[in-house]
Amino acid sequence: AQTVTQSQPEMSVQEAETVTLSCTYDTSESDYYLFWYKQPPSRQMILVIRQEAYKQQNATENRFSVNFQKAAKSFSLKISDSQLGDAAMYFCAYRVSEKLVFGKGTKLTVNP
Amino acid sequence: GAGVSQSPRYKVAKRGQDVALRCDPISGHVSLFWYQQALGQGPEFLTYFQNEAQLDKSGLPSDRFFAERPEGSVSTLKIQRTQQEDSAVYLCASGVLGEGSNQPQHFGDGTRLSIL
Repeated sequence: AQTVTQSQPEMSVQEAETVTLSCTYDTSESDYYLFWYKQPPSRQMILVIRQEAYKQQNATENRFSVNFQKAAKSFSLKISDSQLGDAAMYFCAYRVSEKLVFGKGTKLTVNP
Repeated sequence: GAGVSQSPRYKVAKRGQDVALRCDPISGHVSLFWYQQALGQGPEFLTYFQNEAQLDKSGLPSDRFFAERPEGSVSTLKIQRTQQEDSAVYLCASGVLGEGSNQPQHFGDGTRLSIL
């Protein structure tokens, strides 16, 4: 069974600093997709960044980047220059067939 | 708006009542998903439609849960004889077709269901 593990239930960061959220997953597939979603209190899941497993280059989206290590089955999210609006729950997700398998999430607090 | 729309936003029901949750996906999106998110947890897959066909319902927790998408657009998740453990946020997502695609699923704001 595919599983996604986020080992940090909560993280905090000072505004303008950098934070890294960790994620590991378990799969026997060789080709798959990984995503990070952000969920603010409004509940809507918002896509932050995605990574195709066949691509060796780490994905980046503005202040967000990933460190994808396929052999280690690790997919961490780095947020640079943290902003107050980044405070939310962050979920790592693995795509198997069509459905997403989510981790339990990391609550990120940004301190002014 | 062009996003996924879910209604109602909040639903309170007494144990034993039936409830129906609605999802209106993004226009043109072929795939539609339902997820259940318990308090403090990540979303868990319930069921998946491609157009009107329900291709995967492996995540439905019991036969009290039923989903349909009769015309390949709007979907309804029905829960019969609700129980307290059904209390959760129910998220709907839609996406373009494509197994093997990296296209993301787009989520609605969810329906928070509370069973008293």
